[in-house]
Amino acid sequence: GENVEQHPSTLSVQEGDSAVIKCTYSDSASNYFPWYKQELGKRPQLIIDIRSNVGEKKDQRIAVTLNKTAKHFSLHITETQPEDSAVYFCAASEGYGNKLVFGAGTILRVKS
Amino acid sequence: NAGVMQNPRHLVRRRGQEARLRCSPMKGHSHVYWYRQLPEEGLKFMVYLQKENIIDESGMPKERFSAEFPKEGPSILRIQQVVRGDSAAYFCASSMTGASEGYTFGSGTRLTVV
Repeated sequence: GENVEQHPSTLSVQEGDSAVIKCTYSDSASNYFPWYKQELGKRPQLIIDIRSNVGEKKDQRIAVTLNKTAKHFSLHITETQPEDSAVYFCAASEGYGNKLVFGAGTILRVKS
Repeated sequence: NAGVMQNPRHLVRRRGQEARLRCSPMKGHSHVYWYRQLPEEGLKFMVYLQKENIIDESGMPKERFSAEFPKEGPSILRIQQVVRGDSAAYFCASSMTGASEGYTFGSGTRLTVV
């Protein structure tokens, strides 16, 4: 089955700096890679996703890149703000799309 | 659209009791997924169901845990004879056509076993 690893486990940045979170996956047939943000005590919410037929996708301050050859994908947040502080999870679909497998999460702290 | 509805939000059970967690998917969604999240940990897959069928239960413990998604009504995750280690947040998610279209999560049920 799919295995997703996520780094770093915690990340502290100064307000206005950029934050990068990286994930690797094992199943070469995976074709869908979403990112979720979870604030304390709340539900995970989808913030951006990318499919295997594109290498990069951007939505305002958030971007995701995908390298299918190396089987890794990354989340980039620019101009970070205190409200970006949360836990971020990457995920990858199993090859046949049965379910999403999640990384262990990254605690992002944006210091003002 | 009310989104994915889970109830109860909080559930306290004594060791040995049964816990029933309910999940109503978004309107039009026929795929339901259950995940467990331990404190300060990630989301661990438990089971994937479509109406009246269990598609993948590879993440669910073989004993004490069961899930269903009947033709009418919500999906139910049932934990029999709960133990302290079952204390966690249980999230349900739904999708319209499958995992490759993304999930919408419910607010979760926080189970505490005392």
